[in-house]
Amino acid sequence: GAGVSQSPRYKVAKRGQDVALRCDPISGHVSLFWYQQALGQGPEFLTYFQNEAQLDKSGLPSDRFFAERPEGSVSTLKIQRTQQEDSAVYLCASSLGGTGLNEKLFFGSGTQLSVL
Amino acid sequence: GDSVTQMEGPVTLSEEAFLTINCTYTATGYPSLFWYVQYPGEGLQLLLKATKADDKGSNKGFEATYRKETTSFHLEKGSVQVSDSAVYFCALKRSSASKIIFGSGTRLSIRP
Repeated sequence: GAGVSQSPRYKVAKRGQDVALRCDPISGHVSLFWYQQALGQGPEFLTYFQNEAQLDKSGLPSDRFFAERPEGSVSTLKIQRTQQEDSAVYLCASSLGGTGLNEKLFFGSGTQLSVL
Repeated sequence: GDSVTQMEGPVTLSEEAFLTINCTYTATGYPSLFWYVQYPGEGLQLLLKATKADDKGSNKGFEATYRKETTSFHLEKGSVQVSDSAVYFCALKRSSASKIIFGSGTRLSIRP
């Protein structure tokens, strides 16, 4: 497909389980972002990659959250020992260049994580 | 820190009504301002943007003007359609930052 693809679309986890969320950005896009969107709220920034380099991880809420993009394309967001407060939609976005104001951001449809 | 506040929804209007969704921001310096839209079942997409004071962003009949004196970026449309039903997010970004800061979103429903 031509857009940003995220999988799975829905994920249900028991509290304490580890989860891995996948993002396939648009081919050739240098920048990749992860956002967390709680119910009824706007997206909140988690982390940013430029190619394989994680340049900003200031939004990761705890050391249970880890993201990687080892080959500069597909990215995985991993959450260890999930808690109920981790329940949210996790959005991935990509852009062709860097983080400049003229860069157009393309968002995926998100992975809805429910922690029981 | 930087933040965005937008009017709470849901907002329900009849087709062809005039729309205003209020948005104000708090930031030091001169951020760029955006409106994003999320249609049902789709990803967020940029609707319009303005990068400096008094700039007007426009797209698909929607407009918003960057007002530095009132720190506002209200979204307006003269005549809404059923197809405009969606969630609208006001957002800001500093030129030096990697992240976009979003408001909490306003759900808009248009009835025929």
